Amino acid sequence: KAGVTQTPRYLIKTRGQQVTLSCSPISGHRSVSWYQQTPGQGLQFLFEYFSETQRNKGNFPGRFSGRQFSNSRSEMNVSTLELGDSALYLCASSYGQETYGYTFGSGTRLTVV
Amino acid sequence: AQTVTQSQPEMSVQEAETVTLSCTYDTSESDYYLFWYKQPPSRQMILVIRQEAYKQQNATENRFSVNFQKAAKSFSLKISDSQLGDAAMYFCAYRSAYSGGGADGLTFGKGTHLIIQP
Repeated sequence: KAGVTQTPRYLIKTRGQQVTLSCSPISGHRSVSWYQQTPGQGLQFLFEYFSETQRNKGNFPGRFSGRQFSNSRSEMNVSTLELGDSALYLCASSYGQETYGYTFGSGTRLTVV
Repeated sequence: AQTVTQSQPEMSVQEAETVTLSCTYDTSESDYYLFWYKQPPSRQMILVIRQEAYKQQNATENRFSVNFQKAAKSFSLKISDSQLGDAAMYFCAYRSAYSGGGADGLTFGKGTHLIIQP
């Protein structure tokens, strides 16, 4: 059974550019959530999607957006990149029932220069 | 908003010994889920153990067990017979049982770096 797949694994972008990260959840999982991990702020919740609808959103500026497709795959987009957006972005999937916990991908390491 | 506190930035234990990682949380909710995740250098967060707040019985998964004290809002992780492969960052996380309505996904602590001495 394939795990949560995030692409790409590494990415280097220039300040001001935009970036799109992809996440393919475990087959059958309908919920996908995104987290930003930095040494200073730790792990912070970005947003959560369930059946193509954004269910929750963390405290991030509007430059951060996401979407979920009918096959449950999700993308997150960051526009007008800033140096502070450099982070590990983790995607997690679940059946949609929180009691079962979340399965995480290996993340995308984004570096903004 | 909920907060999760892990007061031990780093812990060290001898192989085969037992270690306990601390976690406290603050919430006004009565129904929620608690998790311990492990993050090795490979970066992937791995679910170690989970606890449902309305269950009084402490969760156990092989060598991993928790001490869940709901009134004290404490959720510690005990690792028995520590192995070299247990070395990693360990994160305590909270998740409200109430979906939507501004719930904030998983709220994580800052993590505890666990070192296993051979």
